Amino acid sequence: DTGVSQNPRHKITKRGQNVTFRCDPISEHNRLYWYRQTLGQGPEFLTYFQNEAQLEKSRLLSDRFSAERPKGSFSTLEIQRTEQGDSAMYLCASSRAGDQETQYFGPGTRLLVL
Amino acid sequence: DAKTTQPTSMDCAEGRAANLPCNHSTISGNEYVYWYRQIHSQGPQYIIHGLKNNETNEMASLIITEDRKSSTLILPHATLRDTAVYYCIACSYGQNFVFGPGTRLSVLP
Repeated sequence: DTGVSQNPRHKITKRGQNVTFRCDPISEHNRLYWYRQTLGQGPEFLTYFQNEAQLEKSRLLSDRFSAERPKGSFSTLEIQRTEQGDSAMYLCASSRAGDQETQYFGPGTRLLVL
Repeated sequence: DAKTTQPTSMDCAEGRAANLPCNHSTISGNEYVYWYRQIHSQGPQYIIHGLKNNETNEMASLIITEDRKSSTLILPHATLRDTAVYYCIACSYGQNFVFGPGTRLSVLP
């Protein structure tokens, strides 16, 4: 069990550019969550997958955001036409349905939009 | 999900027990109480969770009141490495977590 991994750990981009983050969940975890965290706040839910199906999306997830989990394993979160307000820590978590739903978080990807 | 309220910050002397309270007065019968902590610039770390019985593991103890409207996380012998933001979350299985601002615990030497 190597834990949840996220890449890259840090990303600096210019406003208007597209960025993509990757999350590798704990193996055999069928649920995967994305959260966003801004400075001084707790994480905020963005979206959730069960296997490859995206089951829930927060209203925080604007049209510029898209997430995929094509084979029910790793997931990607893409932000198009980044804005300075997108600067945040993006966290991924995974859990196994039926295993008391404990979510295990990755280290996060810190995005800075200049 | 039920809203939880926690004190903004707390201090604790190193080696003493840290008792972190959480109110969840509107918790529903199928919602568990989860505790996570987040050390600066890292992802949240799972600590413990429970439904109505008290729970203990190698990290902490969780005391839930009989009416389930509040709980206390106990770190029995706090160390400097326990300095972190602690989040209390009330959530049913299969639902996304709703985090509040948490309690910033400072363990003082």
